Amino acid sequence: QVQLVQSGAELKQPGASVKVSCKAFGDTFIGYNIHWMRQAPGQGLEWMGCVNAKSGGTKYAQKSQGWVTMTRDTSIKTAYMELTRLTSDDTAVYYCATEDCSGRRCQKDFDYWGQGTLVIVSS
Amino acid sequence: QSALTQPPSASGSPGQSITISCTGTSSDVGAYNYVSWYQQHPGKAPKLMIYGVTQRPSGVPDRFSGSKSGNTASLTVSGLQAEDEADYFCSSYAGSDNPYVFGTGTKVTVL
Repeated sequence: QVQLVQSGAELKQPGASVKVSCKAFGDTFIGYNIHWMRQAPGQGLEWMGCVNAKSGGTKYAQKSQGWVTMTRDTSIKTAYMELTRLTSDDTAVYYCATEDCSGRRCQKDFDYWGQGTLVIVSS
Repeated sequence: QSALTQPPSASGSPGQSITISCTGTSSDVGAYNYVSWYQQHPGKAPKLMIYGVTQRPSGVPDRFSGSKSGNTASLTVSGLQAEDEADYFCSSYAGSDNPYVFGTGTKVTVL
């Protein structure tokens, strides 16, 4: 079992960048893919991409490519997502979540979630 | 890639059963047995309720069950309780190019 704790809320101006962190407590870190989703106010969830905690390999949604970067630091069991060139459309709660990849195959679901990080983009 | 289609709302009285549908395509829901369901209370993070179409994680009541037929998956909540009032989202694996898609969400009200 793992608990994910995300960094605090951010207020950014249009055109700026933001880096959100997601720290894992408890279970092993390297047995997971760490996924990032976002939820705009009153809207549904949108998958943005993931980083493999062991290898650092990434997979991004087509919409995320070119302005989203996902990384991890295994020494402190923390994953990061950096968003660049922010616009007001990026105002949302951003969640990290784990996908168990400790077996032969990854599970393809999101079993543990962080508490969410609110990012507000406004001038 | 389009979101999976869910009804905006569903409701039932305590003790009743409700079923929420999640309609995708032959490229996502219909192609893989990787449909999962998430419960989200207001202001809270989503919680995994069903994975692999029909499997319940440890700690999830057996009142929650999942199924799939063709391109449509379903979540059934039996014996509705007040604490089941929440938003529910489905998700499906959709292949390596754009791997995950979520549903539009269903607000469940316990009357």
